[in-house]
Amino acid sequence: DAGVTQSPTHLIKTRGQHVTLRCSPISGHKSVSWYQQVLGQGPQFIFQYYEKEERGRGNFPDRFSARQFPNYSSELNVNALLLGDSALYLCASSPWTGGGGAEETQYFGPGTRLLVL
Amino acid sequence: AQSVTQLGSHVSVSEGALVLLRCNYSSSVPPYLFWYVQYPNQGLQLLLKYTSAATLVKGINGFEAEFKKSETSFHLTKPSAHMSDAAEYFCAVRTTGRRALTFGSGTRLQVQP
Repeated sequence: DAGVTQSPTHLIKTRGQHVTLRCSPISGHKSVSWYQQVLGQGPQFIFQYYEKEERGRGNFPDRFSARQFPNYSSELNVNALLLGDSALYLCASSPWTGGGGAEETQYFGPGTRLLVL
Repeated sequence: AQSVTQLGSHVSVSEGALVLLRCNYSSSVPPYLFWYVQYPNQGLQLLLKYTSAATLVKGINGFEAEFKKSETSFHLTKPSAHMSDAAEYFCAVRTTGRRALTFGSGTRLQVQP
């Protein structure tokens, strides 16, 4: 079975531009989460989506937004890019049981590396 | 609130030596704990997870971790290091009430020949 897939793998943008990152979850997984990993740090939670609704949000500005589609794939959008947005953006998929229990383990994709110049 | 502390940003061992990567967590409710590995220029791969079923958890590639509630620790070990184990390792915590993973800052493992 295919794992989590993300596109593109690499992206270079300039300050002020907008970017869209895409993610397809593992087949059968209905929840998608997004994380930002700045060089030298652990991943930081941005969003979680289930059934096209936002189910969790981390401490990120409103320039960051996301959505989930009926096929459970997801997009992360970042507006007005800043140099500090340069990072590896990771998507994770998980089953959703409703209880938030151990079954909802997150599996990560390879990430999209964004460089803002 | 939940948090994770990984002691030692860099650990260097000789090939064949014991690997010990330290992780301490803070959580006000029973946690789920995870170890992920990240190879250069790749995403995160799940090594193992603690879900309260057993305190000693075995994972892939010969790694295991022991949950010690009294010490709030979940250290990762491997009896004999291999060159292919060189990577960055992240400990993460989650609880039933909060689905988002909280990660530690990571430990880079270097394996010397």
